Amino acid sequence: GDSVTQMEGPVTLSEEAFLTINCTYTATGYPSLFWYVQYPGEGLQLLLKATKADDKGSNKGFEATYRKETTSFHLEKGSVQVSDSAVYFCALSEAGATNKLIFGTGTLLAVQP
Amino acid sequence: DAGVIQSPRHEVTEMGQEVTLRCKPISGHDYLFWYRQTMMRGLELLIYFNNNVPIDDSGMPEDRFSAKMPNASFSTLKIQPSEPRDSAVYFCASSLMLDIQETQYFGPGTRLLVL
Repeated sequence: GDSVTQMEGPVTLSEEAFLTINCTYTATGYPSLFWYVQYPGEGLQLLLKATKADDKGSNKGFEATYRKETTSFHLEKGSVQVSDSAVYFCALSEAGATNKLIFGTGTLLAVQP
Repeated sequence: DAGVIQSPRHEVTEMGQEVTLRCKPISGHDYLFWYRQTMMRGLELLIYFNNNVPIDDSGMPEDRFSAKMPNASFSTLKIQPSEPRDSAVYFCASSLMLDIQETQYFGPGTRLLVL
């Protein structure tokens, strides 16, 4: 079945460092890909998304490009801030237009001042 | 719009008691999802509804768990009897069928502690 694999955390960075969180997927068909973020004590929020190959999703300085050839959707940010500390989830839409999402295990990012 | 609303935000109960979690999806959304989040198991999909009809309940842990959606604006997740291993954060999410990008909107969650 479809699945998402993302790098394990925690990832600890200093402020203004470059961030990469790896995400790869296995899917039948051509799913949409998502990054959600969960701040402490809150629900998940959509960060960015891409619906087809070579699309780049971006928001709040974060970017991810849908790479069909490598089945990847890595999250990047050029300069992280303390306020970016959160858990980041990669997800894909299950085939069949069910609106069901398959989530990765989440990666905790801790940014230190 | 107020977003997805969940109640209560926190629940502490004793083993064996019945627990009812409530969710109000975003108005007009066709899909509703219940998730459970724990440190050990991460984020798990329990059940989801389309137009108030349960579509997939394969994630429901056992018969002690049940979920209903009597109308488009309300859903409940019930645990009876509750056990300490049910302690988790339970999220409700909704999405719009016609949104081809399938974005799910999450509520703030209910933090459940079973003693």
